[in-house]
Amino acid sequence: AQSVAQPEDQVNVAEGNPLTVKCTYSVSGNPYLFWYVQYPNRGLQFLLKYITGDNLVKGSYGFEAEFNKSQTSFHLKKPSALVSDSALYFCAVRATGEGNKLTFGTGTQLKVEL
Amino acid sequence: DTEVTQTPKHLVMGMTNKKSLKCEQHMGHRAMYWYKQKAKKPPELMFVYSYEKLSINESVPSRFSPECPNSSLLNLHLHALQPEDSALYLCASSQDGGPPNQPQHFGDGTRLSIL
Repeated sequence: AQSVAQPEDQVNVAEGNPLTVKCTYSVSGNPYLFWYVQYPNRGLQFLLKYITGDNLVKGSYGFEAEFNKSQTSFHLKKPSALVSDSALYFCAVRATGEGNKLTFGTGTQLKVEL
Repeated sequence: DTEVTQTPKHLVMGMTNKKSLKCEQHMGHRAMYWYKQKAKKPPELMFVYSYEKLSINESVPSRFSPECPNSSLLNLHLHALQPEDSALYLCASSQDGGPPNQPQHFGDGTRLSIL
């Protein structure tokens, strides 16, 4: 069975500083990994996905994610945080043989302060 | 703007009412999903439709009844709900049968309150 872990319930960072939101995964086949962001009173917005062979994936709004196969991690990063990045972030994995099912992490609340 | 449209945005209903949630997408996606989300929690999968056929039912109580009239529309019929069913209900869609790294696209949800 596949699983995703987001070890931090909340991450606080000052505006202009780099941010990292952590995600580790466990799958039996190839991992298909995604990051989503959810702003208050909105649905989930797709940020980026892992592409096989690319250890650094670039996505929307200046976000990127670093894939590390040996550590089974897919951490979300941004070089310079904005107050408007404050939101709830979900990592998700879809494993082969699981049909269309996505397994989500528990979510990390990002708070960017002035 | 989201490409998956959900109506209504808010719904308040009594435990004896019957209501329906609607979802529409025009991206040509052939997989559509219903999720339930509680505050600050990840979405919980309820149903998956693939090519208008129900492919996954995550042991959802029968008071929730999904329907996929065509490839663009997805409904969720509600009857005799309980207070614990109050939540944000999200619809999503995705390609089906293609590469497994195709993302799901979500609507903004219907916020449901059961009195």
